[in-house]
Amino acid sequence: ETGVTQSPTHLIKTRGQQVTLRCSSQSGHNTVSWYQQALGQGPQFIFQYYREEENGRGNFPPRFSGLQFPNYSSELNVNALELDDSALYLCASYVPGTDLTGELFFGEGSRLTVL
Amino acid sequence: DQQVKQNSPSLSVQEGRISILNCDYTNSMFDYFLWYKKYPAEGPTFLISISSIKDKNEDGRFTVFLNKSAKHLSLHIVPSQPGDSAVYFCAASVTGGFKTIFGAGTRLFVKA
Repeated sequence: ETGVTQSPTHLIKTRGQQVTLRCSSQSGHNTVSWYQQALGQGPQFIFQYYREEENGRGNFPPRFSGLQFPNYSSELNVNALELDDSALYLCASYVPGTDLTGELFFGEGSRLTVL
Repeated sequence: DQQVKQNSPSLSVQEGRISILNCDYTNSMFDYFLWYKKYPAEGPTFLISISSIKDKNEDGRFTVFLNKSAKHLSLHIVPSQPGDSAVYFCAASVTGGFKTIFGAGTRLFVKA
């Protein structure tokens, strides 16, 4: 069983640039969520994709956008990067309704530094 | 608006003793609670969960207690082992909802 994988693991960008982060969900998981974890804080929900549609969003501006592909992999795009966007970005997958524990399966994260 | 709060940033415990990690929540709609463990350079991994219809759930050395009237839950680890040293996140969700709300985490140090 393949776990959740994310790429790249680390990257550095400058203010105003755009970034794309990628996630391959765990085998059989059709739902992907993205979280932002700033230093010293817990993961903050950005949005969730189910069957290629966004079906839930947290308190993040529209410059945070995403995609989900037919193979359930996903992308997180952030435009007009700001210094406060520096964080660990976590992707998590699961199968809603059939996973009795309700647990999320996380990747290792992509650490973004904005200079 | 912090709906899930972990007020202790860190906790240090001697090996073999009990570790107690605490968590408070404010949203009475939450009906499912989880604990995740995170090692450096790894993503969080699920540890144990509890539904609001229960007040206790055990899994080996880990027990989660839920006090709905106080909107409080706790994770007990006994006996604590050095390999338990990690950051522990308390999380909450609403069944049928689409997001999980996490606390800021508590860093546990288990000394040998």
